[in-house]
Amino acid sequence: DSGVTQTPKHLITATGQRVTLRCSPRSGDLSVYWYQQSLDQGLQFLIQYYNGEERAKGNILERFSAQQFPDLHSELNLSSLELGDSALYFCASSLGLAGGYEQYFGPGTRLTVT
Amino acid sequence: TQLLEQSPQFLSIQEGENLTVYCNSSSVFSSLQWYRQEPGEGPVLLVTVVTGGEVKKLKRLTFQFGDARKDSSLHITAAQPGDTGLYLCAGGDTSGTYKYIFGTGTRLKVLA
Repeated sequence: DSGVTQTPKHLITATGQRVTLRCSPRSGDLSVYWYQQSLDQGLQFLIQYYNGEERAKGNILERFSAQQFPDLHSELNLSSLELGDSALYFCASSLGLAGGYEQYFGPGTRLTVT
Repeated sequence: TQLLEQSPQFLSIQEGENLTVYCNSSSVFSSLQWYRQEPGEGPVLLVTVVTGGEVKKLKRLTFQFGDARKDSSLHITAAQPGDTGLYLCAGGDTSGTYKYIFGTGTRLKVLA
């Protein structure tokens, strides 16, 4: 158990809908990262927050947004969903900013768009 | 842009064989992490190497960080079916973006 929690575990929704994925980092970690992993693909970095502020952005679509709250939990919002958004979404946390800190992953949310 | 390339991309071996996975870059990393991911689950951190030339052992797994901190290798001795999974290396981007760079991954299958 990495200490990173994600809810829900599974999500099935229809095209055009909006969903929210939730992540709670390990106790004491200030950084949260979101990744997308499509079937048999590598991890695609979406976005990173540090202590409530956005610090890095990857290939995140405009239909996607995220935020980190004062209690450090984070939410990833996906809207106008398309079939191609079906994937595993992982949250990871680390004590500080990338470079000198280890990153720990949550169990993921499997999103299926029908 | 910093990149991490892993080789081989796929590896299928018999139980008991040895194997080595490589993670290479043209850039220097302050540290590199190795993860193993099983289908449908999150990557699990195996080890972090920090010092150039460093060697770390985790049971049958041996990790090495290159002297110049641009590459790393993972050697598995006497592989077992339980070693099956996707192996990923990752390093913190030192260009100031604060994100992690992930390798392309090595998908290992160990046959009983």
